[in-house]
Amino acid sequence: GENVEQHPSTLSVQEGDSAVIKCTYSDSASNYFPWYKQELGKRPQLIIDIRSNVGEKKDQRIAVTLNKTAKHFSLHITETQPEDSAVYFCAAIEPDNYGQNFVFGPGTRLSVLP
Amino acid sequence: EPEVTQTPSHQVTQMGQEVILRCVPISNHLYFYWYRQILGQKVEFLVSFYNNEISEKSEIFDDQFSVERPDGSNFTLKIRSTKLEDSAMYFCASSDEGWDRGLGYGYTFGSGTRLTVV
Repeated sequence: GENVEQHPSTLSVQEGDSAVIKCTYSDSASNYFPWYKQELGKRPQLIIDIRSNVGEKKDQRIAVTLNKTAKHFSLHITETQPEDSAVYFCAAIEPDNYGQNFVFGPGTRLSVLP
Repeated sequence: EPEVTQTPSHQVTQMGQEVILRCVPISNHLYFYWYRQILGQKVEFLVSFYNNEISEKSEIFDDQFSVERPDGSNFTLKIRSTKLEDSAMYFCASSDEGWDRGLGYGYTFGSGTRLTVV
């Protein structure tokens, strides 16, 4: 089955700097890669996603890049703000699965320091 | 915006007791899921449900777990005899057809039920 790794596990940046979180996946047939932001005790919230037919997608300060050959995808947050502090999870969808369940990475705790 | 609703938000139960966690998926969604998140760890898939049957389950989803869609609106997760290690946040999710092709509302998580087994 699919395996998703994520680095770093913790990341501290100064407010205004950029943050980059990287994920790798194992199954080359995976075709959908969402990123979720989870604040303490709350549900994962989708912040951006990318499909395998796209190399890059941007939404304001957030961007995601996908390298299908290398089987890795990255989340980029520019001009970070204190409210960006949270745990971020990448995920990949298990292909050929009628239930379409996600496999999540282990998470990155991002701290944006004022 | 449509929501996935979960009740209760927090449940405390004694080891060995049965618990039922309830979810109301988005009304036109067809696929339903349960995930688990042990405190400080990643979100783990438990089970997916489609067309009134389980479509996939993980290794975590052993004989102590069961799911049901009793009345066309609720989707429940039952843990038959809870263990201490079942303490976690349980998230329900639902999705509609074609969400992964950019159609419909997409894949939506509920706000979770925190289960504490004592």
